Amino acid sequence: GENVEQHPSTLSVQEGDSAVIKCTYSDSASNYFPWYKQELGKGPQLIIDIRSNVGEKKDQRIAVTLNKTAKHFSLHITETQPEDSAVYFCAASRGGTSYGKLTFGQGTILTVHP
Amino acid sequence: KAGVTQTPRYLIKTRGQQVTLSCSPISGHRSVSWYQQTPGQGLQFLFEYFSETQRNKGNFPGRFSGRQFSNSRSEMNVSTLELGDSALYLCASSLGQGGDGYTFGSGTRLTVV
Repeated sequence: GENVEQHPSTLSVQEGDSAVIKCTYSDSASNYFPWYKQELGKGPQLIIDIRSNVGEKKDQRIAVTLNKTAKHFSLHITETQPEDSAVYFCAASRGGTSYGKLTFGQGTILTVHP
Repeated sequence: KAGVTQTPRYLIKTRGQQVTLSCSPISGHRSVSWYQQTPGQGLQFLFEYFSETQRNKGNFPGRFSGRQFSNSRSEMNVSTLELGDSALYLCASSLGQGGDGYTFGSGTRLTVV
């Protein structure tokens, strides 16, 4: 089955710095890659996603890049703010009828210091 | 619009008992997926229902089961509870056609004693 590895497990940055979280996946048939943010006591919140026909996608301070050849994708957060502090998860799925079967990475605890 | 609603929020059960958790998806969403979240294993996929049919299944024992009703509401059941079943159970909903992402509820925290 699919395996998703996520690094680093913890990341500490100063406010205003950039943060990068990286994931690799094993299933070459995967073609949908979402990123989720989970705050304490809440469920994961979708922040951005990318499909295999796109190499990069941006949404304000957040961007995701995908390298299908190397089977890795990354989340980039620029100009970090204290409210960005949370646990971030990457995930992958095959799409089609398997679209709803997401395999998650182990998570990255991001701490943004004021 | 209303989000994904999971009930109850917290539950304490005794080993050997069975439990049913409920999930009401966003209106119009036909796909509901369930996940188990634990500190040790992270987020693990249980199963996904689409239009009342189980479309995908994870690697959990048969004690874990689910169903979806005609209004897309879903329930999951765990029979013969074990201490290791203590976890946050999350459901997520989507239109299910691949064009949108999954929206998660806040989860049900199950504690087995």
